[in-house]
Amino acid sequence: GESVGLHLPTLSVQEGDNSIINCAYSNSASDYFIWYKQESGKGPQFIIDIRSNMDKRQGQRVTVLLNKTVKHLSLQIAATQPGDSAVYFCAFFRGGNQFYFGTGTSLTVIP
Amino acid sequence: DTEVTQTPKHLVMGMTNKKSLKCEQHMGHRAMYWYKQKAKKPPELMFVYSYEKLSINESVPSRFSPECPNSSLLNLHLHALQPEDSALYLCASSQKFEETQYFGPGTRLLVL
Repeated sequence: GESVGLHLPTLSVQEGDNSIINCAYSNSASDYFIWYKQESGKGPQFIIDIRSNMDKRQGQRVTVLLNKTVKHLSLQIAATQPGDSAVYFCAFFRGGNQFYFGTGTSLTVIP
Repeated sequence: DTEVTQTPKHLVMGMTNKKSLKCEQHMGHRAMYWYKQKAKKPPELMFVYSYEKLSINESVPSRFSPECPNSSLLNLHLHALQPEDSALYLCASSQKFEETQYFGPGTRLLVL
């Protein structure tokens, strides 16, 4: 079967600290990974993506790391701010018509 | 314009009603999607349209009927829904399938 799991369903961090959100996947054929942020009452918002030919990709205050050996994806948020409080989903394509969302991690930033 | 719009924002309907959800994008995207999201759960894919043709139907009950009138519009027609169909319905679009999907704000549906 297929699974896209997150190691921690909830995460609380102090404002200014770095946050790390993890995601595990089971199928090695996965080739494109996306992180989404969903604030309460809103649709998911694209944050950053990475293809399987890369190990790391950086955006503004965010970094995505892909470890294909252990089938693990992580999202790092630098200097976390109250506006980062949301649910974060990983998602991935596995070729053809298959697209999966992870179960989500709820990030709470403590002022 | 990088926005996906959805109307209405909220909808309350009885089990015998017929209603429609609408989605629009003007990014020139050729793939459009409907998702259902229950509280504290990830979005679940319902339908995918690619180049205005239905390419994926994830075994969705026939009381949900999608329609893609043109490349910018996507509708979801609702008929004889059940209370368990109450959820947030999200529309998304992408340049083509297997590209990054951009989501609208959703329609929050309550079936009484």
